[in-house]
Amino acid sequence: NAGVTQTPKFQVLKTGQSMTLQCAQDMNHNSMYWYRQDPGMGLRLIYYSASEGTTDKGEVPNGYNVSRLNKREFSLRLESAAPSQTSVYFCASRAQAGSYNSPLHFGNGTRLTVT
Amino acid sequence: AQSVTQPDIHITVSEGASLELRCNYSYGATPYLFWYVQSPGQGLQLLLKYFSGDTLVQGIKGFEAEFKRSQSSFNLRKPSVHWSDAAEYFCAVGAGTYKYIFGTGTRLKVLA
Repeated sequence: NAGVTQTPKFQVLKTGQSMTLQCAQDMNHNSMYWYRQDPGMGLRLIYYSASEGTTDKGEVPNGYNVSRLNKREFSLRLESAAPSQTSVYFCASRAQAGSYNSPLHFGNGTRLTVT
Repeated sequence: AQSVTQPDIHITVSEGASLELRCNYSYGATPYLFWYVQSPGQGLQLLLKYFSGDTLVQGIKGFEAEFKRSQSSFNLRKPSVHWSDAAEYFCAVGAGTYKYIFGTGTRLKVLA
């Protein structure tokens, strides 16, 4: 079982470039999430998708867009990258959005550097 | 305001010694509390969770945590640390239907 798969693992962008981070889960989970992890700040929620066909903003959505392509896939797009978006990005999924009995399952992360 | 505080940024213990990682939360309702572990280059893995009932909860890898409502704490413990426990540990509270609030993490170093 692969769980949550993120691609790429590493990426370097120049300011102003765009890119899409891909995430796919094979656990038939309904909800998917994008977090960013910065030193001393823990994990902060960027966007989430409670179920296929819905997306909502989290704590730090500015500069990002998302697409819930189907039940398995949830992508994060940076339209015009900025150095402040240098971070480690984690995708996560949960079986059920409204129940904490279904814990978050995380991918291994994408380390993004914007120069 | 809802928040999670992990007061220790780094902790170093010797292999075989006991471990306690501190977590304090601020949340108005009954909290759902979690501990996650992150090994280098990996995503976060759930160690244990508390929803209600017995305030001492057992998790994977020999970890346990105790919920103390009066102290707004949910400290993680392990009686004897192994070198493979070196990682970063995150405390989190479930805050609302979809939202988790994570602490800033405690990085554990284990001395041989």
